[in-house]
Amino acid sequence: NAGVMQNPRHLVRRRGQEARLRCSPMKGHSHVYWYRQLPEEGLKFMVYLQKENIIDESGMPKERFSAEFPKEGPSILRIQQVVRGDSAAYFCASSGSDTYEQYFGPGTRLTVT
Amino acid sequence: GNSVTQMEGPVTLSEEAFLTINCTYTATGYPSLFWYVQYPGEGLQLLLKATKADDKGSNKGFEATYRKETTSFHLEKGSVQVSDSAVYFCALEIQGAQKLVFGQGTRLTINP
Repeated sequence: NAGVMQNPRHLVRRRGQEARLRCSPMKGHSHVYWYRQLPEEGLKFMVYLQKENIIDESGMPKERFSAEFPKEGPSILRIQQVVRGDSAAYFCASSGSDTYEQYFGPGTRLTVT
Repeated sequence: GNSVTQMEGPVTLSEEAFLTINCTYTATGYPSLFWYVQYPGEGLQLLLKATKADDKGSNKGFEATYRKETTSFHLEKGSVQVSDSAVYFCALEIQGAQKLVFGQGTRLTINP
């Protein structure tokens, strides 16, 4: 049973470009969570999604950030017009509907130049 | 609000030393408590958890006891190894909220 997959592992974007981060949950999991880790800090919750629904986006910045988890395919975290302050590690986690225990992917490290 | 405060790092110990990493929390409901470990360049792995007061979580020689009276969940290990070098995160989850609140992490280095 493959774990949570994220790609790319490393992403470099220039200021003003768009960043798309992908997350494929563990097989059988229908809940996805996105977290951001700034350098030398803990992880901060961004958004919680189920298939085709955003359940809790209380941690998402109001502008430029969006997330989706379509019926088919991976969850996508999209950052438009990136700025240097968006440089961070973005982690995805998934869970099933029985225990809600979250399993984390390896993360995508975004660098904005 | 809900928050987690961890012992400031970095922590450096010699192999076979006793380890304690302090963690305290504030929560509005009845949280579950977790310790996660992050090895260099990797994602987080669940190390142990406790879901109610006085529960003890344990794994790979690590232990932590859920203390409601002191709102604490300190991580301990009797004899650390070089391979335990990593960043350790304490976290809580409010029942029904399905989102984790993390402490800032404690970097642990074990020297041979």
